[in-house]
Amino acid sequence: DAGVIQSPRHEVTEMGQEVTLRCKPISGHDYLFWYRQTMMRGLELLIYFNNNVPIDDSGMPEDRFSAKMPNASFSTLKIQPSEPRDSAVYFCASSSVRGAAPNSPLHFGNGTRLTVT
Amino acid sequence: EDQVTQSPEALRLQEGESSSLNCSYTVSGLRGLFWYRQDPGKGPEFLFTLYSAGEEKEKERLKATLTKKESFLHITAPKPEDSATYLCAVKEDDKIIFGKGTRLHILP
Repeated sequence: DAGVIQSPRHEVTEMGQEVTLRCKPISGHDYLFWYRQTMMRGLELLIYFNNNVPIDDSGMPEDRFSAKMPNASFSTLKIQPSEPRDSAVYFCASSSVRGAAPNSPLHFGNGTRLTVT
Repeated sequence: EDQVTQSPEALRLQEGESSSLNCSYTVSGLRGLFWYRQDPGKGPEFLFTLYSAGEEKEKERLKATLTKKESFLHITAPKPEDSATYLCAVKEDDKIIFGKGTRLHILP
């Protein structure tokens, strides 16, 4: 199993530009989560999906942020327009609640470090 | 108000010096408490899940315990390779909420 795959690993962009972050979850996992990590606020949950359907997006900071999951193997997080305060590491994670693991742990990707100048 | 609070924020220990990290939580209806390890430049890596007060889990030099209001991660005779950020998280409904972590540094 290749694990959760995120791309790009690093993104540097100018304020006002559109940024798209990508995630491929572990095959067979039915939950997908997007988190943002900063020194000040730690890991913050932005949005999560179950079976490709967004369940809770209350953590999305502003309308500039949007997330989609068009199929079970791909999700995107888009920021438009980007601002310097969006600079952070963005993580995608997946998990499964099937079988005997109703509280299975999250499996994280290695994140995308976003810098907005 | 934070639902998951970890202390201390940072901890420096000599190799072999045992200690404990604390995680206190305020969520109702706990459906699981998780410990993760995070190395620089990497995503968090799962260590343990605890479900009920009194439960304990062990892995090498690490032991996690759970009460009704807090969890401890005990580190026995740590080695430099145990240096990392340790994150605690709780499950509320389907959401998993993280604390800000404890940065642990083990000096050789």
